[in-house]
Amino acid sequence: EVQLVESGGDLVQPGGSLRLSCAVSGFTFSVYWMAWVRQAPGKGLEWVAHIKPDESEKYYVDSVKGRFTISRDNAKKSLYLHVDNLRAEDTAMYYCARDNNALFDYWGRGTLVTVSS
Amino acid sequence: EIVLTQSPGTLSLSPGERATLSCRASQSVSSNLAWYQHKPGQPPRLLIYGASTRATGIPDRFSGGGSGTDFTLTISRLEPEDFALYYCQQYGGSPRTFGQGTKVEVK
Repeated sequence: EVQLVESGGDLVQPGGSLRLSCAVSGFTFSVYWMAWVRQAPGKGLEWVAHIKPDESEKYYVDSVKGRFTISRDNAKKSLYLHVDNLRAEDTAMYYCARDNNALFDYWGRGTLVTVSS
Repeated sequence: EIVLTQSPGTLSLSPGERATLSCRASQSVSSNLAWYQHKPGQPPRLLIYGASTRATGIPDRFSGGGSGTDFTLTISRLEPEDFALYYCQQYGGSPRTFGQGTKVEVK
């Protein structure tokens, strides 16, 4: 059974940092692109970043470039998102997803990031 | 950036009725359009890709159609478990974008 389990979300002040993690099981993690997708309260889904299996390519939505860093550890079957200089508009549920030919075919249940003073 | 506009925002129907959801793209995405179902507290679920191909395990009451800029998701007969949020997503342009969602609720 495919499982993706996110963790690391928290209440953080503006300007703060977090590291989100996603533990994967049930498929060969090391051969798939992986992605982070978020959903702000009352809003739709937004692709945030994705990463190639060997980490040689990483892409970000414009609004997070320079502040968020996606990474992975294939040995640990884990995906990460390091988020810096957080803003109120980054408040959202962050989902880890398998990125399969531009489709998000498996998702986790999400981890909540709240940015507030 | 390609903007996807979904309509209606909310669809109020009874079990057994037919649901038709619309997704319009601001420019052509060919057939590079997917649909997802999302229930509270659960991970989103891929339903349709390539505009009309059902993902693995998706019941045949779900069907997708369209190409270019206009797409539809049809649920032929609503089951109780189908009441949820539905999102379209395009992967014909970069960045990949989602619509704002259609809520299918019990009338």
